[in-house]
Amino acid sequence: VVLVESGGGVVQPGRSLRLSCVGSGDSLNQHAVHWVRQAPGKGLQWVAVISYNGRNDFYADSVKGRFSISRDNSKKIVYLQMNSLRSDDTAVYFCGRAWSTDPIDYWGQGTLVTVSS
Amino acid sequence: EIVLLQFPVTLSVSPGEGATLSCRASQSVSDNLAWYQQKPGQPPRLLISRASTRASGVPARFSGSGSGTEFTLTISSLQSDDFALYFCQQYNLWPWTFGPGTKVEIK
Repeated sequence: VVLVESGGGVVQPGRSLRLSCVGSGDSLNQHAVHWVRQAPGKGLQWVAVISYNGRNDFYADSVKGRFSISRDNSKKIVYLQMNSLRSDDTAVYFCGRAWSTDPIDYWGQGTLVTVSS
Repeated sequence: EIVLLQFPVTLSVSPGEGATLSCRASQSVSDNLAWYQQKPGQPPRLLISRASTRASGVPARFSGSGSGTEFTLTISSLQSDDFALYFCQQYNLWPWTFGPGTKVEIK
């Protein structure tokens, strides 16, 4: 099982960025997919989740209304659209898969998002 | 949201000794608690789910216990590969939350 995130980079405050998470084989299509972030030198913060069929999603309060998670199972990809970015969104963003509401069992290596002017 | 506390913050242990890490939840999470190990520059690795079920490939020296609000991760006879950060995480209620972590370092 391999998950690969992409789309990170340096972005100015208030701008947008879209992260992608691609899974090998069928590793994503039957799983819920989460985004979890980790600010430099800090702990883990759960960000968002989307169900295997895309019908349900949940968000952390700190990103609700600014971030949106979506998926395209035909392409085996999950997106995290991040709008109105703030400096405290700076972090490594990991995607991870999980069976239904079970914990994340496989993680990607992460992609770094830096929000700075 | 459910707040998780972990203690100690840092645990200094000699190789071959055992270690006990604690996690306390601000309200009951039943047994919907997981433990992860993280090394620098790497993503977390799932060790324990359902408070006490080892994930695939996790050595038997890792064991979890507890339910409700009090949980423990025990590592018997630490190996060099075990010195890392350990996080607990609840998945009983949205939003999922993580504890701040315990660093297990070489004494």
